Amino acid sequence: EIMLTQSPGTLSLSPGERATLSCGASQIVRSNYLAWYQQKPGQAPRLLIYGGSIRATGVPGRISGSGSGTDFTLTISRLEPEDFAVYYCQQYGSSPYTFGQGTKLEIK
Amino acid sequence: QITLKESGPTLVKPTQTLTLTCTFSGFSLDTRDVGVGWIRQPPGKALEWLAMIYWDDQKRYRPSLESRLTVTKDISKNQVVLTMTNMDPVDTATYYCVHSTYDFVWGSYWDWFDYWGPGTLVFVSS
Repeated sequence: EIMLTQSPGTLSLSPGERATLSCGASQIVRSNYLAWYQQKPGQAPRLLIYGGSIRATGVPGRISGSGSGTDFTLTISRLEPEDFAVYYCQQYGSSPYTFGQGTKLEIK
Repeated sequence: QITLKESGPTLVKPTQTLTLTCTFSGFSLDTRDVGVGWIRQPPGKALEWLAMIYWDDQKRYRPSLESRLTVTKDISKNQVVLTMTNMDPVDTATYYCVHSTYDFVWGSYWDWFDYWGPGTLVFVSS
């Protein structure tokens, strides 16, 4: 089972700043089969990125994914108020699918 | 427009069997390129993938829970049902039904989850 470790656990930033969230895998994630989700309190997660870097429908261009192998990054170039949430990475290149423990992005 | 919604009991007793139903619209599970799955999230904790079922009736389960899980589909009702036996308080969680899009490579499906139901919170307590 591939373990995903997200860092930092909490990220405190202000609107307009740049956010960089990391996801490290215990084994190589095949074919960059890595997705990112955003979850707000009391809501279901929302798909942001799949295939490591492909934006899902409706995701704004300020959100981007990168990386390969065991190291992946989610970048939000200029934070908007609606971006403050918890973010999870998920690998789907190996069964069972696994999620990271999440990064909470909070307003500073 | 794809929507999914979970239904089932809010409270189950330890050792009982949980049955959850996912009712969906906007797609059919008898067409290619479609999968429906289940993911859970204990309160304040991370997400955990449980099971998948595909248009061709292939199924995939989380190995550590496979002996307790069964997923089935009813095409005519646009429903997927998850059963989990021998429930324990550690199974207390919000259970989500998800629509997946996948790549089919190396002879298997590899899914990302593009639509989610709102989730249903299930407590396990005596």
